[in-house]
Amino acid sequence: DAKTTQPNSMESNEEEPVHLPCNHSTISGTDYIHWYRQLPSQGPEYVIHGLTSNVNNRMASLAIAEDRKSSTLILHRATLRDAAVYYCILRGNTDKLIFGTGTRLQVFP
Amino acid sequence: DAGITQSPRHKVTETGTPVTLRCHQTENHRYMYWYRQDPGHGLRLIHYSYGVKDTDKGEVSDGYSVSRSKTEDFLLTLESATSSQTSVYFCAISQGSQPQHFGDGTRLSIL
Repeated sequence: DAKTTQPNSMESNEEEPVHLPCNHSTISGTDYIHWYRQLPSQGPEYVIHGLTSNVNNRMASLAIAEDRKSSTLILHRATLRDAAVYYCILRGNTDKLIFGTGTRLQVFP
Repeated sequence: DAGITQSPRHKVTETGTPVTLRCHQTENHRYMYWYRQDPGHGLRLIHYSYGVKDTDKGEVSDGYSVSRSKTEDFLLTLESATSSQTSVYFCAISQGSQPQHFGDGTRLSIL
């Protein structure tokens, strides 16, 4: 399974945009890029996913590089509730998710 | 929220005892998964199921067994618990290639 690389931690102020990067240089053509987040004391929560084109939903936006070797999860206005560990995961033809250690996002008031 | 219930939510037991964790879903999803999460780590897949009586191993399956006798229930069993199996266990469900939905976890302590 192709691996992803994320910074261990990032910080943001409330109501500011947050850009969470993910590198996946060994991505294959059929791998989807998934993002999940895990709030304290909860199970992971699906955020967004995409293949080649940028994606938007009510939670976030996903910007995918043209060569697909990196992507960025964008939270347009961070809130205190967005403080969580964010996981970037490549999902291929199987249904299995391989979690890394993710990026711990701190949001300050 | 997806209808996933894990039980028990917390358990403390002794080394060598058998332990069974239950995951119950009300979504009629085909796929069910068991993960464990340890401090400083992301989730690691233990076992998964792609249908009734159809299960397969994940990356950390040693010491664990699973059973799925009906669509809504996926059981994880530690036949003889060891201290290294102290962890938080998460169940997840999905329907084919759709995103996985996770339960709230079971915190298991083995003394």
